Amino acid sequence: NAGVTQTPKFRVLKTGQSMTLLCAQDMNHEYMYWYRQDPGMGLRLIHYSVGEGTTAKGEVPDGYNVSRLKKQNFLLGLESAAPSQTSVYFCASSYSTLFPVDYEQYFGPGTRLTVT
Amino acid sequence: KQEVTQIPAALSVPEGENLVLNCSFTDSAIYNLQWFRQDPGKGLTSLLLIQSSQREQTSGRLNASLDKSSGRSTLYIAASQPGDSATYLCAVRPEEYGNKLVFGAGTILRVKS
Repeated sequence: NAGVTQTPKFRVLKTGQSMTLLCAQDMNHEYMYWYRQDPGMGLRLIHYSVGEGTTAKGEVPDGYNVSRLKKQNFLLGLESAAPSQTSVYFCASSYSTLFPVDYEQYFGPGTRLTVT
Repeated sequence: KQEVTQIPAALSVPEGENLVLNCSFTDSAIYNLQWFRQDPGKGLTSLLLIQSSQREQTSGRLNASLDKSSGRSTLYIAASQPGDSATYLCAVRPEEYGNKLVFGAGTILRVKS
């Protein structure tokens, strides 16, 4: 049981280049999330998905796109990278979050992205 | 807009000391609060989840309390060890946003041997 995995672990991009980050989970979780973590700011939600084929915007969605074609995978795309997107990106997954029953989010190890 | 603040930003203590980390949030309308641990270069590990109807949760040497009305939570670590050195993050799930977590910036803890 690998949990939540992310590829790649590190990446350096030039301004204007594009790339896709892959997140995979083997826990049969319905919900998946993409966060970014910047120094002194905590984690902020970029996009999330409540099931296969669905996506929704989070707190900071501009400049990113996502897709959830398979339940176990959640892709984060940067169409035209900018230096402001230099960050550590974390993927997370959880069972459904229907109040009052709530479940923990499980996090991947992160992808460190630098845009020059 | 929900904001989460963690104090102190960094803490250094000798091994064996009991310590308290603080978390405050501006809007008491939350479903739950979670405490996470993050080791350098690693992802987040969930430590404790407190539902809005609960006052505290315990796991081993960790005890987390929640006072929703005052917008405060504390994480108590008993008999600290060097292996406890990490960044501790708290996050709330606001009723307004449903599926989102709002994180604090974290407290960097160093336990000296």
